[in-house]
Amino acid sequence: QSVLTQPPSASGTPGQRVTISCSGSSSNIGTKPLNWYQQLPGTAPRLLVYANDQRPSGVPDRFSGSKSGTSASLAISGLQSEDEADYYCAAWDGSLNDWVFGGGTKLTVL
Amino acid sequence: EVHLVESGGGLVKPGGSLRLSCAASGFTFSNAGMSWVRQAPGKGLEWVGRIKSRTDGGAIAYGAPVKDRFAISRDESQNTLFLQMNSLTTEDTAVYYCTTYLKDSSGWHYFDHWGQGTLVTVSS
Repeated sequence: QSVLTQPPSASGTPGQRVTISCSGSSSNIGTKPLNWYQQLPGTAPRLLVYANDQRPSGVPDRFSGSKSGTSASLAISGLQSEDEADYYCAAWDGSLNDWVFGGGTKLTVL
Repeated sequence: EVHLVESGGGLVKPGGSLRLSCAASGFTFSNAGMSWVRQAPGKGLEWVGRIKSRTDGGAIAYGAPVKDRFAISRDESQNTLFLQMNSLTTEDTAVYYCTTYLKDSSGWHYFDHWGQGTLVTVSS
């Protein structure tokens, strides 16, 4: 059971906008910034969003992050087939003194 | 370009030890925080531990499942990060990723660049 809760799956058709949620508590998302990672099949994770809504250089602006209270979301607009991957949220937990991850969301592009 | 290459994975018996290495290039290693994150087969990501940069205090911390069994160290002369793993159990079977551990302008950290990972299998 992961400390951060994500839906196990999500899907969309090319061009659509999809969102992936990540729910936590006051000891992590509620008071600490959230990061998002993309893991393409058979590859290492890649940083997509840090500090809730900041994109590293090289990440397309189709990817955007937001946070409200103890929940956060990753939105992907203009969905492309190459976006098919697992997506993970992560935050520092001040009570556990541990980095915690969501269980991951498998995104399928139909 | 940042490049992280892990090595040292393999098959080890329960109770055994293994030392992983992560060779870093493309950035000033001595100024960088580093971390290890693992992923059991077919499962999600789990934080193993981190070592902050010298300028950030250099502190080392570990995730609860590995505390007191694993140890992180670094050799700045070789631009290499290490993970010494002792008292291994089957629960430690995973791909182990080395990452840079950066601090943003607000002081918050995140895992930035990732290596390709090295597989550790603990089995009798």
